[in-house]
Amino acid sequence: GAVVSQHPSWVICKSGTSVKIECRSLDFQATTMFWYRQFPKQSLMLMATSNEGSKATYEQGVEKDKFLINHASLTLSTLTVTSAHPEDSSFYICSASSEAGGRNEQFFGPGTRLTVL
Amino acid sequence: AQKITQTQPGMFVQEKEAVTLDCTYDTSDPSYGLFWYKQPSSGEMIFLIYQGSYDQQNATEGRYSLNFQKARKSANLVISASQLGDSAMYFCAMREGSGGGNKLTFGTGTQLKVEL
Repeated sequence: GAVVSQHPSWVICKSGTSVKIECRSLDFQATTMFWYRQFPKQSLMLMATSNEGSKATYEQGVEKDKFLINHASLTLSTLTVTSAHPEDSSFYICSASSEAGGRNEQFFGPGTRLTVL
Repeated sequence: AQKITQTQPGMFVQEKEAVTLDCTYDTSDPSYGLFWYKQPSSGEMIFLIYQGSYDQQNATEGRYSLNFQKARKSANLVISASQLGDSAMYFCAMREGSGGGNKLTFGTGTQLKVEL
């Protein structure tokens, strides 16, 4: 149980275009989803916390107008990278939290590798 | 100050040996959770083990155990009987508070290489 999917798993786009990444909790309802960014050989950096039906809370230094997050339902959150540039190339990972089992654990998606040419 | 510190950027261990990956944390919240994740080269984050701040006993999950020393604020991961498939990046993470909506803070990670 507690499976999180991401789509697409990888994407290559031209500079200036927008890219949407979907994060779905497949077998549980997630009131909170998180979006992370990871550069090669570095740690995960939290970008934003997304609660269903409300605006996302962005971490300091993350441009909310560039990284649009929508959490329209208890099983789906989307991250849109607007007007992508080569420096936005990165590995983007989402997670969804479940309070089952008392651990309030975050379950991670498999990640999306974005390359901007 | 760093909330999660992993001081070992890389570790080597021989197959079938045990290895300890270090993690120290910093928080003033009495309620917190500590997590260890494994990230192979494919990128997926694999949950390994969890320790709650109020848990009296050290957590164990198969070959993984967590050496929780609350007074020293350390939560080291011990992997017993290492296997070649254990080669990966390992991250320690902390959640302050008990809510599922509370964010995780990750350490910088330790790259573990298991050798024959």
